[in-house]
Amino acid sequence: NAGVTQTPKFRVLKTGQSMTLLCAQDMNHEYMYWYRQDPGMGLRLIHYSVGEGTTAKGEVPDGYNVSRLKKQNFLLGLESAAPSQTSVYFCASSQTTGFPQETQYFGPGTRLLVL
Amino acid sequence: DQQVKQNSPSLSVQEGRISILNCDYTNSMFDYFLWYKKYPAEGPTFLISISSIKDKNEDGRFTVFLNKSAKHLSLHIVPSQPGDSAVYFCAASAADSWGKLQFGAGTQVVVTP
Repeated sequence: NAGVTQTPKFRVLKTGQSMTLLCAQDMNHEYMYWYRQDPGMGLRLIHYSVGEGTTAKGEVPDGYNVSRLKKQNFLLGLESAAPSQTSVYFCASSQTTGFPQETQYFGPGTRLLVL
Repeated sequence: DQQVKQNSPSLSVQEGRISILNCDYTNSMFDYFLWYKKYPAEGPTFLISISSIKDKNEDGRFTVFLNKSAKHLSLHIVPSQPGDSAVYFCAASAADSWGKLQFGAGTQVVVTP
């Protein structure tokens, strides 16, 4: 049981390049989330999904797109990277029954540097 | 506008003593509160939570207190151990929010021998 995994762990991009961050969970959770963490600001929600095939905007969605084609995977895309998107990205998941859905389980993070 | 605030960015405590971390919130609709612990280069891990119908929840060395009238919660760690050195995030959720969490900026705790 790996929990929540993220790929890649670290990436350097040039301004304008695109990339996709992959999140996978093996806990059969319905809900999945993408956050970014910046110094002094805690974690901010980018996008989230309440089930396969659904996505919704979070607090800071601009410049990102997401897809949830399979229940276990949640992809975060940057179509044209900007230096302001330099951050650490965390994926999380939570279940909807038997335990408060607010208890989220996090992946190890992806460190992204945009030059 | 940050709805969850942790005003102390860092805390240093001696091993064996009590660590007290504080968190304030502004949204009166928040009804569930959590603390997460984060080590460097790892993702946050769930530590303890409390529902708004309670004012205290205890789990081993960790106790969370909630004061709804003051919109304030605190995490007590007794006794503090070197392995407790980490960043602690306070988070809150409102009812029917699809589990979405609002996080504070975190408090870096350093436990010294």
